[in-house]
Amino acid sequence: GAVVSQHPSRVICKSGTSVKIECRSLDFQATTMFWYRQFPKKSLMLMATSNEGSKATYEQGVEKDKFLINHASLTLSTLTVTSAHPEDSSFYICSGLSSPGELFFGEGSRLTVL
Amino acid sequence: SQQGEEDPQALSIQEGENATMNCSYKTSINNLQWYRQNSGRGLVHLILIRSNEREKHSGRLRVTLDTSKKSSSLLITASRAADTASYFCAPGDTGRRALTFGSGTRLQVQP
Repeated sequence: GAVVSQHPSRVICKSGTSVKIECRSLDFQATTMFWYRQFPKKSLMLMATSNEGSKATYEQGVEKDKFLINHASLTLSTLTVTSAHPEDSSFYICSGLSSPGELFFGEGSRLTVL
Repeated sequence: SQQGEEDPQALSIQEGENATMNCSYKTSINNLQWYRQNSGRGLVHLILIRSNEREKHSGRLRVTLDTSKKSSSLLITASRAADTASYFCAPGDTGRRALTFGSGTRLQVQP
């Protein structure tokens, strides 16, 4: 199957700092990528849809100014958690759409905000 | 996209046994995908079955789809301890929308 690479896999930061997570589609062009968030023992919650060359679409309740998404190329989308706080600590997972309806996921990034 | 509902929520079996988990959905689909998630890891794409297919195999995995009942099943044969994970189904369409996920089935394979 298609490969999506996510980096970093783990990050610890201090409260108030910003953290950037990268999501790359390695063997396909992903004009659309999706960012999910997962709390312990819970399912994935869709945060936003990232479209190459245009603004991201955020799900209800997700602050666009806190979770900045950039999709500058067909193979790279980034999520920046700005002014992170402990409640932003979570597991963030990206996915790329390789063809209509077929999603491939990254390995996830565990963010811990102290 | 609509969310699939997996059943059972949890399943514990012995190594070597078969594991069957089910998925139900509400409206018509173009395809349905099954994913596995090991603890603390991303989702691994296991198999995609299209709406015009009734059964599909991949190694020890067998997936069935019954569009009249709006249900799918994932069978893992001769399970191994390494199969311990959460399994999610995701009904899909022809659009470019995100997949949404239910709570999954937590499979525990005892060695």
